[in-house]
Amino acid sequence: DGGITQSPKYLFRKEGQNVTLSCEQNLNHDAMYWYRQDPGQGLRLIYYSQIVNDFQKGDIAEGYSVSREKKESFPLTVTSAQKNPTAFYLCASTTLPDRPYDQPQHFGDGTRLSIL
Amino acid sequence: DAKTTQPPSMDCAEGRAANLPCNHSTISGNEYVYWYRQIHSQGPQYIIHGLKNNETNEMASLIITEDRKSSTLILPHATLRDTAVYYCIVRDPLDTYNYGQNFVFGPGTRLSVLP
Repeated sequence: DGGITQSPKYLFRKEGQNVTLSCEQNLNHDAMYWYRQDPGQGLRLIYYSQIVNDFQKGDIAEGYSVSREKKESFPLTVTSAQKNPTAFYLCASTTLPDRPYDQPQHFGDGTRLSIL
Repeated sequence: DAKTTQPPSMDCAEGRAANLPCNHSTISGNEYVYWYRQIHSQGPQYIIHGLKNNETNEMASLIITEDRKSSTLILPHATLRDTAVYYCIVRDPLDTYNYGQNFVFGPGTRLSVLP
């Protein structure tokens, strides 16, 4: 079945360490997104990408980096500069507006990141 | 900032209809209303969306007021598995300038379906 796969489901980071969260989709979607969710809060946009080799910062990009070398993959790196990385991270994808534009965002099941 | 206002929590008895309200008084003519839900520790799941007409699918019904300033998501026969946080979002799917940033998920409504 088509969908979005995030891995790992749980991740632990040591002080000063960079960690990378994986997001893969086989929906042939052009746009991909990363969100952060803190307990009891909504989703905040970290980065998004509409095409390969291009991405834009969202509201809370500081301390994070991304790459989009392939259409189906959009990994997120949480760098040591992110001082409060403990959160639930969600990846999403969707078609672009000039395709069937009412396709909603599809989400993965998230990665929960904690500090050791 | 989210363009919608939802109550923080609601309860519903199992088997009864759950009616979840959403205010979006500043909605523009091109913006659709979308509903998602998030079950604990999972990614949000799309439920339904609409522009101005009422919509129904296998999961729910969406009622949009004539002035489009508010809407209601209806789960006709709530089950325990419908316990989740429900998000109401307004966005223009053709707004290519803001496309990347116009899925704004606020805190939503926490629906508890009680046995």
